[in-house]
Amino acid sequence: GQQVMQIPQYQHVQEGEDFTTYCNSSTTLSNIQWYKQRPGGHPVFLIQLVKSGEVKKQKRLTFQFGEAKKNSSLHITATQTTDVGTYFCAGPDTGNQFYFGTGTSLTVIP
Amino acid sequence: DAGITQSPRYKITETGRQVTLMCHQTWSHSYMFWYRQDLGHGLRLIYYSAAADITDKGEVPDGYVVSRSKTENFPLTLESATRSQTSVYFCASSLRGGLSNEQFFGPGTRLTVL
Repeated sequence: GQQVMQIPQYQHVQEGEDFTTYCNSSTTLSNIQWYKQRPGGHPVFLIQLVKSGEVKKQKRLTFQFGEAKKNSSLHITATQTTDVGTYFCAGPDTGNQFYFGTGTSLTVIP
Repeated sequence: DAGITQSPRYKITETGRQVTLMCHQTWSHSYMFWYRQDLGHGLRLIYYSAAADITDKGEVPDGYVVSRSKTENFPLTLESATRSQTSVYFCASSLRGGLSNEQFFGPGTRLTVL
C-alpha cells in the first residue's frame, strides 16, 4: 500500500545547529503539506507546496517539493528551543486518499 | 471563537462496547476528517466528509462508522471496540479544496480500550 516515510525518525540537535527532515512517498502526491505537532498537542499546518521543484521559505524554515512530486524536505536553520516537536509531511494521492508521513521528532538541546 | 472541539478528551472503555467520539466545528468548513495517531504510524485517515450526508473511507476505516447530518458535527462511532483501537483520535476540518487544503485539527481524544 501507499507509504510516506520520513527520515530520520528522531533528531537531537544543539540549539543553533541546523536540522533537516526528508519525506518520501511511494506514489505521486498532488501537493505536499507540512505540519508541526508539539508534545501533547495537535498537528498545526505550516505550509503547502503544489508545484514540482517548488521551494518556499518561512523565516528560518525552507521547504522543498521534489521534481517527481514524490519527495520533500524541511530544513530549519539555526534551531531554537521553540522548534521542538514532531514534523509531519502529508498529502493527497491521485486516488482521493490522504496520507501523513511517519514524522520526525526534533529535540533541541539548549 | 471556539474553532474545532472534540469530546470527550479522555475515554476508557471495555472491549465490545460501543463508543462515540464527538467533533464539532464552528467555522462552517465543508470538509471534516477523522484520524488516529499511533506510535510508529503517524496519523492515519479513518473517514472524511466533503459535506453533510457525504462521507468517504480513508486508509483505515474498518471497525468505525461515521455520519454527518449537520455540517458542524462529525461523530465517529466504534460499534464494538477492540484493544487495537486504543489510540489518540484527531478530528480536523478544512474550508474547501478537499484534500488539497490546510486542515485545522481539534485537541484530540485519548481512547483506551481494556
